[in-house]
Amino acid sequence: EDQVTQSPEALRLQEGESSSLNCSYTVSGLRGLFWYRQDPGKGPEFLFTLYSAGEEKEKERLKATLTKKESFLHITAPKPEDSATYLCAVCGAGNMLTFGGGTRLMVKP
Amino acid sequence: EAQVTQNPRYLITVTGKKLTVTCSQNMNHEYMSWYRQDPGLGLRQIYYSMNVEVTDKGDVPEGYKVSRKEKRNFPLILESPSPNQTSLYFCASSYSGNTEAFFGQGTRLTVV
Repeated sequence: EDQVTQSPEALRLQEGESSSLNCSYTVSGLRGLFWYRQDPGKGPEFLFTLYSAGEEKEKERLKATLTKKESFLHITAPKPEDSATYLCAVCGAGNMLTFGGGTRLMVKP
Repeated sequence: EAQVTQNPRYLITVTGKKLTVTCSQNMNHEYMSWYRQDPGLGLRQIYYSMNVEVTDKGDVPEGYKVSRKEKRNFPLILESPSPNQTSLYFCASSYSGNTEAFFGQGTRLTVV
């Protein structure tokens, strides 16, 4: 059974204070690891897909990295508008998507 | 505009009264899926479909039915809803299971 664990559950940062969110996973036959952003009352919004260990992707203040056991979402110099819940998910050999519980990020001005 | 449309957005119903939540996408995606989101449990996949007439159970399929008769539509059917199906539901579509998924706006269902 595929499993995804995200930590921390919640993270408070000051504007400009960089940090990282962790996603640990176990999956049979990784076909992709995903990061999504979810704002309150809305559907998740796609950020990144990573397919193999060592892969990295960047978008504005966000950078996602992948190893064989975990992924990190690095947030550099965050702004209040980065406040949201960040979700990690894996797609395994069964072609199902398994999500972690999410990290709720709050960035104070 | 590329989008996934769910209806209704909000629904309050009574135990045992059959209901359908519709989902439609305009991106010609092969893969569609349904999730429920509950506090403390996160997003859990209910059913998914890799193509027309092909559906598979996700992690929490009990009490739900789906059908995929057309590529663009993937309705979620609750034949006899119960209070433990009170939740926030999302439909999503993508080219395949391991590509970027587009999510609908969500349907907040309350079963009393």
